[in-house]
Amino acid sequence: DAKTTQPPSMDCAEGRAANLPCNHSTISGNEYVYWYRQIHSQGPQYIIHGLKNNETNEMASLIITEDRKSSTLILPHATLRDTAVYYCIAKDNNQGAQKLVFGQGTRLTINP
Amino acid sequence: KAGVTQTPRYLIKTRGQQVTLSCSPISGHRSVSWYQQTPGQGLQFLFEYFSETQRNKGNFPGRFSGRQFSNSRSEMNVSTLELGDSALYLCASSWAVYNEQFFGPGTRLTVL
Repeated sequence: DAKTTQPPSMDCAEGRAANLPCNHSTISGNEYVYWYRQIHSQGPQYIIHGLKNNETNEMASLIITEDRKSSTLILPHATLRDTAVYYCIAKDNNQGAQKLVFGQGTRLTINP
Repeated sequence: KAGVTQTPRYLIKTRGQQVTLSCSPISGHRSVSWYQQTPGQGLQFLFEYFSETQRNKGNFPGRFSGRQFSNSRSEMNVSTLELGDSALYLCASSWAVYNEQFFGPGTRLTVL
């Protein structure tokens, strides 16, 4: 699975959009980009995933660049409850396995 | 629908002992994965089971083992506990390899 690079920490004001970047310059054509988050001492929570098209669900939007070398997770109206560590993961769904390779993630702090 | 449940939630053991952790996946999910989370190493994949078969294994010593039952419930066992095995052990389940994984709350193991 491709390595992903994320900034170690970010801050965002409550009510504003939080934009979390992720670089995955070695991603292969079969690898999806997954985002999970982990609120302190809880199990990680799935947010969204995509292959090449932009995706949106009730939690967030995922913007993937045309060359697929980077992506951005957007939380449109951040709340204090969005304070968490966010993980960007590249995963090949054709490998027949569910192994997720977590990096260090981005610690997002939402400020009131 | 009930989420992934893990028992026990907290456990204290001494060096040299062995421990068994249990995971009940979401109803209908056939894939169960285990992860270890420590402050130093972060989230690391242990192994994955699908239909009672181990499908993938992470880079952990043989003291770490697991199994899956016909009802998809899974257990992991750590023998001859070491201080470094103190960690949060997380279980995740999914319907199939291309689906997102849902994590349980984890079992916090402390080895004294």
